[in-house]
Amino acid sequence: SQTIHQWPATLVQPVGSPLSLECTVEGTSNPNLYWYRQAAGRGLQLLFYSVGIGQISSEVPQNLSASRPQDRQFILSSKKLLLSDSGFYLCAWRALDANTGELFFGEGSRLTVL
Amino acid sequence: GENVEQHPSTLSVQEGDSAVIKCTYSDSASNYFPWYKQELGKGPQLIIDIRSNVGEKKDQRIAVTLNKTAKHFSLHITETQPEDSAVYFCAASPGYSSASKIIFGSGTRLSIRP
Repeated sequence: SQTIHQWPATLVQPVGSPLSLECTVEGTSNPNLYWYRQAAGRGLQLLFYSVGIGQISSEVPQNLSASRPQDRQFILSSKKLLLSDSGFYLCAWRALDANTGELFFGEGSRLTVL
Repeated sequence: GENVEQHPSTLSVQEGDSAVIKCTYSDSASNYFPWYKQELGKGPQLIIDIRSNVGEKKDQRIAVTLNKTAKHFSLHITETQPEDSAVYFCAASPGYSSASKIIFGSGTRLSIRP
């Protein structure tokens, strides 16, 4: 069966510090991968998605970047965090050849920038 | 691009009563409309979805209706139970292939009163 792992689950970082959130998927090949952010009281904002290794599409201009160094690994990064980067970050995957559109989400990473 | 609006942002209903959450979308090319449930501290999970070739779909106590002309769709939960308390998200997508982006609404926090 397929599983998705995200880490760390929680972190508190000072403004201006770097960030690295990691996401890996097991049990499937060539997944489409997504990073969403959920700010307090708000919906799920699509940040990045990837259809393959090294292929990253950015949805909104921001202080963050994403990379996909391996087929089932998706990394969210920042060189210098801002207060506005605080939120709940969710990684998700979707099967390349599925006949459904279901997104499978990880458990999320809660980031607090102080 | 697609914009999805969701109402209400919070909803409280008596256990056993029905709950209705409504969404509108802007992109007439959207033809796939999933609903996700997010429990506290977890990632969202798909509970039901509908494609544009049908107007209604039901799964036990949950039903979704779609009006493509008016560009709105709704989630109906009947005979609500305490475990239905969660945040619910509607979403829209121009297709259910894996390459399609899924755009989410802002969420509805549903509380079931005992």
